[in-house]
Amino acid sequence: QKEVEQDPGPLSVPEGAIVSLNCTYSNSAFQYFMWYRQYSRKGPELLMYTYSSGNKEDGRFTAQVDKSSKYISLFIRDSQPSDSATYLCAMSAPGGTSYGKLTFGQGTILTVHP
Amino acid sequence: NAGVTQTPKFQVLKTGQSMTLQCAQDMNHEYMSWYRQDPGMGLRLIHYSVGAGITDQGEVPNGYNVSRSTTEDFPLRLLSAAPSQTSVYFCASAPTIAGVLSRQYFGPGTRLTVL
Repeated sequence: QKEVEQDPGPLSVPEGAIVSLNCTYSNSAFQYFMWYRQYSRKGPELLMYTYSSGNKEDGRFTAQVDKSSKYISLFIRDSQPSDSATYLCAMSAPGGTSYGKLTFGQGTILTVHP
Repeated sequence: NAGVTQTPKFQVLKTGQSMTLQCAQDMNHEYMSWYRQDPGMGLRLIHYSVGAGITDQGEVPNGYNVSRSTTEDFPLRLLSAAPSQTSVYFCASAPTIAGVLSRQYFGPGTRLTVL
């Protein structure tokens, strides 16, 4: 079983829809949680970065972390065609031998059609 | 700033050939890393470095070597290429703030095919 599981989709939604992307994980040591967006043939770029549990909002994007359930989510409100990309969740544990090591989910391919 | 740069963008190798993927960053980041991305697998960490002269293995290090002689450069060497190393390779760098690793910046990737 992989440490981080992410539904690869693909997910297709109409413009303006609310999108929900999710990851589950098994390593209780994970404390840092990230969402990356990757456009076709480009490198990943960081969208959201959260520490421990709770919510974080940035414009149309909201990240949620539920450590008790080992579950993280990314919500996109008022989705736009420009949001079409692959979304990757990533996690890491603090310090020691885990320092700097990101563990990624498989990525979810999202298409927002006009 | 150019950020994280990678060369070449594309490469085709024959089985058994060796080559070096180049990665450079101009942000004075202490931390640098190499990932490979395969369909359905996400990104997997190959090697990483927390500073010049210091490197360590990630999740999938076999068949790859790294060294870090300067803060700016972190080359990845394939010793004897195999078809299983066909992948897209990403280099990343990150600053440390108060001893905590901050966001990672990724390069544009190198697409490698091994025949």
